[in-house]
Amino acid sequence: EIVLTQSPGTLSLSPGERATLSCGASQTIHNDYIAWYQQRPGQAPRLLIYGVSSRAYGIPDRFTGSGSGTDFTLTISRLEPEDLAVYYCHQYYTSPWTFGPGTKVEV
Amino acid sequence: EVQLVQSGPEVKKPGESLKISCKASGYTFTYYWIAWVRQMPGRGLELVGIIYPPDSDTTYNPSFEGLVTISVDKFLNTAYLEWRSLQTSDTAIYYCARPLGTSWHSPQDKWGQGTLVTVSS
Repeated sequence: EIVLTQSPGTLSLSPGERATLSCGASQTIHNDYIAWYQQRPGQAPRLLIYGVSSRAYGIPDRFTGSGSGTDFTLTISRLEPEDLAVYYCHQYYTSPWTFGPGTKVEV
Repeated sequence: EVQLVQSGPEVKKPGESLKISCKASGYTFTYYWIAWVRQMPGRGLELVGIIYPPDSDTTYNPSFEGLVTISVDKFLNTAYLEWRSLQTSDTAIYYCARPLGTSWHSPQDKWGQGTLVTVSS
């Protein structure tokens, strides 16, 4: 099983600031099979990024994914109050697919 | 519009059985895998398993193998998650989800609203 770690655990920033979230994998993720989800309080997860850097439909360009191998990053430029959420990275390269423990973003 | 509508919240006692459902609409049900994902209170996301509706080919996360059963009724466009004997540790929100694409290697894009399962004596 591929284990994903995320840092920091919590990120407290102000509106307009930039957030950088990290995700590390215990094994190399080939074919860019990394996604990022946003989960707002009381809601189901929402796909933000897939294939490391492709934005899902309707996701604003403030959200950018990058990385390769075992190290991946989600960057949220110009934070908005609605970005208050937990963000999970996810690998769908090897079964069982796994998720990171999440980074909570406080705005 | 693609929709996954899950059955309502459940309160059960340890040892009881339970089957929750996820009804899909707005797309061809047999074209896409369906996944079940667990979220324990205040915790992260865990894949329970994934099923391919045309032939019910199912892959379970080893952590859940033998503890739950995933099935589909492709004529009702509905997926199910079932327990024969619930434990208090099964208390969680369970989400069904459909991937972005039709291939195995595709992230979950459409999510149900979640079903809260509470197991308590």
